[in-house]
Amino acid sequence: NFMLSQPHSVSESPGKTVTISCSGSGGSIASNYVQWYQQRPGSAPTTVIYEDNHRPSGVPDRFSGSIDSSSNSASLTISGLKTEDEADYYCQSYDSTDHYVFGTGTKVTVL
Amino acid sequence: EVQLVQSGAEVKEPGESLKISCKGFGHILTNYWIGWVRQKPGKGLEWMGIIHLGDSDTTYSPSFQGQVTISVDKSIGAAYLQWSSLKASDTAIYYCARHSGVEFDPWGQGTLVIVSS
Repeated sequence: NFMLSQPHSVSESPGKTVTISCSGSGGSIASNYVQWYQQRPGSAPTTVIYEDNHRPSGVPDRFSGSIDSSSNSASLTISGLKTEDEADYYCQSYDSTDHYVFGTGTKVTVL
Repeated sequence: EVQLVQSGAEVKEPGESLKISCKGFGHILTNYWIGWVRQKPGKGLEWMGIIHLGDSDTTYSPSFQGQVTISVDKSIGAAYLQWSSLKASDTAIYYCARHSGVEFDPWGQGTLVIVSS
């Protein structure tokens, strides 16, 4: 079973940089694209990164994504942290049978 | 701009049946897929399954196969998620989302389902 694991929570001060990891197990994370979703409290998720490192229009360039095949993981980096970035973040990819998989989710707290 | 609008919150008793809906507005085309995602209270996102609006081709997550039924009415651009016998453990918010071939976007506003006696 392909699974994506994320840290439960990360916190940082405004203006700083946070990086959220998404570690794959049971398969290669580089085999399929990774997406990242932001979910603010009481709202539906929205895309912040698609196809590993692309930003939808309207998403600030403070958000960036990357893949590290050597560690079988993906990362979402948020630079110049703002209070509005406080949310839950989920990575998402696919397994070998084209079933969709979400990561466990990371709560970002802006101190 | 495409919008997905879901049916309203439901409160049901264990053993009851339920069908919730997700309707697309805007330039939603029948060659798109609609996925369903569960989020239990205070928990993460779980992919349940996906259906093609045009030909009703459906794939279920192994975790939800046999537990729910996903269907579509392409004449009105709507997708449905249904249960024949609800359990307390089905209490959750259920989201629909269009899958364009890359990401799930946009998402519906979510339907809260509470199953309690």
